[in-house]
Amino acid sequence: NAGVTQTPKFQVLKTGQSMTLQCAQDMNHEYMSWYRQDPGMGLRLIHYSVGAGITDQGEVPNGYNVSRSTTEDFPLRLLSAAPSQTSVYFCASSFRGQGQPQHFGDGTRLSIL
Amino acid sequence: DAKTTQPPSMDCAEGRAANLPCNHSTISGNEYVYWYRQIHSQGPQYIIHGLKNNETNEMASLIITEDRKSSTLILPHATLRDTAVYYCIVTRQYHTGTASKLTFGTGTRLQVTL
Repeated sequence: NAGVTQTPKFQVLKTGQSMTLQCAQDMNHEYMSWYRQDPGMGLRLIHYSVGAGITDQGEVPNGYNVSRSTTEDFPLRLLSAAPSQTSVYFCASSFRGQGQPQHFGDGTRLSIL
Repeated sequence: DAKTTQPPSMDCAEGRAANLPCNHSTISGNEYVYWYRQIHSQGPQYIIHGLKNNETNEMASLIITEDRKSSTLILPHATLRDTAVYYCIVTRQYHTGTASKLTFGTGTRLQVTL
């Protein structure tokens, strides 16, 4: 049982490049989400999904796309990377319903030059 | 979601109890109190949550006041490994049947010392 797995752990991009951050969970969780964390700040919600085929925007969705074709995977796509997207990205998952703890991955550290 | 207020930092001697306060005076009746922590640059780790009653698990205890406007996370015997940023989060579901929405503030940086 690996929990929430994020890949890659580190990535450097040039402005304008696109890339996909991967997130996979093996706990059969319906709910998955993406957060970003900038230095000295708390986590901010980017996008979330309450099940396969269902996604919605969080607090800071601009510049990011998501899709959820399977229960296990929830990739985050940067369409045209900008320096303002330099951050640490965390993926989380949980069962649906109130009072369910969320499980986080170890993060992807992304730098945009 | 209700806003939370936490002290920016606290110190605790190893072996002593660490008591981390959180104020959530605007909490609604259907909102839970969650505590997470983040050790160094790792992903946040779930600690405990509660609605009205006090809760205890293998990691910590959560004391919620009767009016639910504040709570305290208690680490009974703090160790150096408990040095982390602790987040108090008040949340409800996005929609009925979905998961809880977590809004992270800046938390309390707990430093456990020898």
